[in-house]
Amino acid sequence: EAGVTQFPSHSVIEKGQTVTLRCDPISGHDNLYWYRRVMGKEIKFLLHFVKESKQDESGMPNNRFLAERTGGTYSTLKVQPAELEDSGVYFCASSSTASARGIAKNIQYFGAGTRLSVL
Amino acid sequence: AQSVTQLDSHVSVSEGTPVLLRCNYSSSYSPSLFWYVQHPNKGLQLLLKYTSAATLVKGINGFEAEFKKSETSFHLTKPSAHMSDAAEYFCVVSDHGTSYDKVIFGPGTSLSVIP
Repeated sequence: EAGVTQFPSHSVIEKGQTVTLRCDPISGHDNLYWYRRVMGKEIKFLLHFVKESKQDESGMPNNRFLAERTGGTYSTLKVQPAELEDSGVYFCASSSTASARGIAKNIQYFGAGTRLSVL
Repeated sequence: AQSVTQLDSHVSVSEGTPVLLRCNYSSSYSPSLFWYVQHPNKGLQLLLKYTSAATLVKGINGFEAEFKKSETSFHLTKPSAHMSDAAEYFCVVSDHGTSYDKVIFGPGTSLSVIP
């Protein structure tokens, strides 16, 4: 079974440009998550999709970030326009089912991440 | 509010000696706890998980962790370090207070293994 795949593995762009990151979750996983790790900081939650719907986007830093999940399959995260502070590693994760309260049925499987460098 | 503290940003051990990576958490609910590992240029890999069953959890590659509620700790251990264990390790707490498993990451501990 293929794992979570992310494209590209590394992207170098100039400030003001647009970049689109893609995540292909494990087949059949309804839940898809985006996280980001800015240099020297902790891995932070960005948002969560259940199928094609945004369940929680409380971690999105500002309106320069737009996430979509067309048809509930792969997801894209677009940064437009990119700023220097957007540099970091963007992780995607997927899981199969929502958890029952108190039981973590919902193990998240992570991709290798996309390293974004904004110059 | 959930939070995770990893007391050491970097740990260095000699090959063949024990590994101890410390993790403390705070949670408003009965938490689920995880350890993930990230090797260079690789994704985050699940090492082990605690989900309110046995407090001593065994994971992959000889790692294990013990959930101690009284100490709010979930330290990761391995009896004998191998060179391939050099990586970054993340302690993660899962919040069951929401309708899904929102996870909070610790800051990470970088493990170096000296030959």
